[in-house]
Amino acid sequence: DIQMTQSPSSLSASVGDRVTITCRASQSISNYLNWYQHKPGKAPKLLIYAASSLQSGVPSRFTGSGSGTDFTLTISSLQPEDFGTYYCQQSYTTPLTFGGGTKVEI
Amino acid sequence: EVQMVESGGGLVKPGGSLRLSCAASGFTLSPYIMNWVRQAPGKGLEWVSSISTSSSYIYYADSVKGRFTISRDNAKNSLYLQMNSLRVEDTAVYYCARGEEKATSRTNFDYWGRGTLVTVSS
Repeated sequence: DIQMTQSPSSLSASVGDRVTITCRASQSISNYLNWYQHKPGKAPKLLIYAASSLQSGVPSRFTGSGSGTDFTLTISSLQPEDFGTYYCQQSYTTPLTFGGGTKVEI
Repeated sequence: EVQMVESGGGLVKPGGSLRLSCAASGFTLSPYIMNWVRQAPGKGLEWVSSISTSSSYIYYADSVKGRFTISRDNAKNSLYLQMNSLRVEDTAVYYCARGEEKATSRTNFDYWGRGTLVTVSS
């Protein structure tokens, strides 16, 4: 199975800060990497697919980069509504696996 | 508007069974791979199972293989998860998630329901 490791596991930042979350795969997954935002009691939301493609309707302050084993999600200017837990997910092969999550507090 | 609504969760004793349903609206289910993902209390997201458009390709996490059965009814725009021999560690919120169009296995999840809680406890 492909293991996905996210860091940090949590962070606290201020409105307007630039925030970076990293995700590392245990083997190369090309660009089969997706990012989600999850808030308590709500449906998870797809932000970025194929490592760097912005999902329709997602603000442009969210960007994804990377390929192979190392990936990054960047929020260029953190907004109050960006709190929640962020997960990476590899879609290279089954079992599809998620990172452990990064909890973002404002 | 794309919507998915899960139902069928509840409290069940270890060894018991439950059948989850996911009713989709705002889109036609048939061209999409469909999936179940769960989140145990205080834990992260865990993929459970996927089923391709015509049910030709079905995949399960090792943790549920042999106990859970995924199925779909494209005519009813619905997805199902039959869960047998339930264990305490199956306690989680179960989410229905739409995958990519025409995918057979490799997929992201672009729309999710709000989940249904399954609690396995004596």
